[in-house]
Amino acid sequence: RKEVEQDPGPFNVPEGATVAFNCTYSNSASQSFFWYRQDCRKEPKLLMSVYSSGNEDGRFTAQLNRASQYISLLIRDSKLSDSATYLCVVNIFTGGGNKLTFGTGTQLKVEL
Amino acid sequence: EPEVTQTPSHQVTQMGQEVILRCVPISNHLYFYWYRQILGQKVEFLVSFYNNEISEKSEIFDDQFSVERPDGSNFTLKIRSTKLEDSAMYFCASSSREFEQFFGPGTRLTVL
Repeated sequence: RKEVEQDPGPFNVPEGATVAFNCTYSNSASQSFFWYRQDCRKEPKLLMSVYSSGNEDGRFTAQLNRASQYISLLIRDSKLSDSATYLCVVNIFTGGGNKLTFGTGTQLKVEL
Repeated sequence: EPEVTQTPSHQVTQMGQEVILRCVPISNHLYFYWYRQILGQKVEFLVSFYNNEISEKSEIFDDQFSVERPDGSNFTLKIRSTKLEDSAMYFCASSSREFEQFFGPGTRLTVL
């Protein structure tokens, strides 16, 4: 089983649509969770951290279910500029630092 | 907004040559990391560095790899004898105690 598993997509959606991405992780020792965004040939950029209580940042809502080891990201009113690959990332603190484990990413294409 | 910087943006080298990739982490961060991403694949953890020593390394980070913080600002990754399969984007990242890692723009390494 992959450490972090995501549907690779692509998700092709019209502008203004709501789109949801899901992710599962296998290591129950994972301590913190993130969504990163990666544009083609660019670095991953932190989109938001994910908490069990759920958190929202503008049009983006993230949710964590530790029991099911499941993470989600919801994008409302999608914009053309949201087109990117969304990376589900889990973190294990190793004492001397944090080791991020990345999913392969879900590609989103927002179209006119 | 403070950011991680990396040089060079693109490095071309012959197989068997040594390369040094350079990074300047965010100034008040304490934890430093290297990741790599082979074209079309996921981002993979290489090494974490804290308090002037390696805190964790992956299976990829073998004896051909080394890291150093030669002064108060730079963080380097050295590959002693490059192989074709070392061709990838190499990302430096840094974090404070809050665990969120911020990535530099990457160095594209091409081994011929």
